[in-house]
Amino acid sequence: DAKTTQPTSMDCAEGRAANLPCNHSTISGNEYVYWYRQIHSQGPQYIIHGLKNNETNEMASLIITEDRKSSTLILPHATLRDTAVYYCIVRVATGIYNQGGKLIFGQGTELSVKP
Amino acid sequence: GAVVSQHPSWVICKSGTSVKIECRSLDFQATTMFWYRQFPKQSLMLMATSNEGSKATYEQGVEKDKFLINHASLTLSTLTVTSAHPEDSSFYICSARDEGGAGNEQFFGPGTRLTVL
Repeated sequence: DAKTTQPTSMDCAEGRAANLPCNHSTISGNEYVYWYRQIHSQGPQYIIHGLKNNETNEMASLIITEDRKSSTLILPHATLRDTAVYYCIVRVATGIYNQGGKLIFGQGTELSVKP
Repeated sequence: GAVVSQHPSWVICKSGTSVKIECRSLDFQATTMFWYRQFPKQSLMLMATSNEGSKATYEQGVEKDKFLINHASLTLSTLTVTSAHPEDSSFYICSARDEGGAGNEQFFGPGTRLTVL
C-alpha cells in the first residue's frame, strides 16, 4: 500500500472550515483514499473514503486531485468535538466485493479546534 | 455505522499472567477482524489479521505464540496476551470489516487498555 504524508499538527477556529491535506504521490490506480480520526483514548472512527471523484457525507467532504497524488479532507464547520488525530490511509481494493487490503496507519495530523 | 465492542475496556494484571481480550461485531458479521496495538503518543500498529475459521496472519515482528488469536465465529475474535510483561502494557484495538456494507469499511472497537505490573 502507498505511503501518505500529512502535516503533524494543525489548528482551526471553532465554526470555521478545517482543511486537512494529505499527500499520496505513489498511489496506485486500484487504491482508495480513506480517512479516519481518533479522539484521545478511543478507537478510530471512519470518516469517508474515495477513489477519484470528490465525495461528501454528513461528516465531511473529500477532495481528490485529478492526478490522485493528493487529497484534502474538509470539515465544513469545525467544533471542539472535532479535536482529534486524523489519519489519511490509502488501501488497495481487491475482490469482487471490494474487500480491500489492510489499513496501515501513519502518524496522522493532530487537529486542535480552538474556541 | 456498524458497532464493534471490546471487553474489557481496561485490565490490570500481574507479570506472568495471561489476559484475554474479546472483540465483537454487534450488528454485522465479520469474516475478517484486525488487532492493533498503540503505545502512548504513537500511531496504531497492526499486529495481525484474524480470519474466521482459520489461523490468524501475523505482521512481521509480532510473536504469534505470545499473542494468541482465535476467531471462532463470525462475530467474535479474541486476543490472548500470554505471560504478559510490563512492556506489553499498551492500548489494544480491534476492528472488523463489514463485508456486507457497500464500501466494505472497517469499524473499530473502543480499545482495551492493558497495564501489566
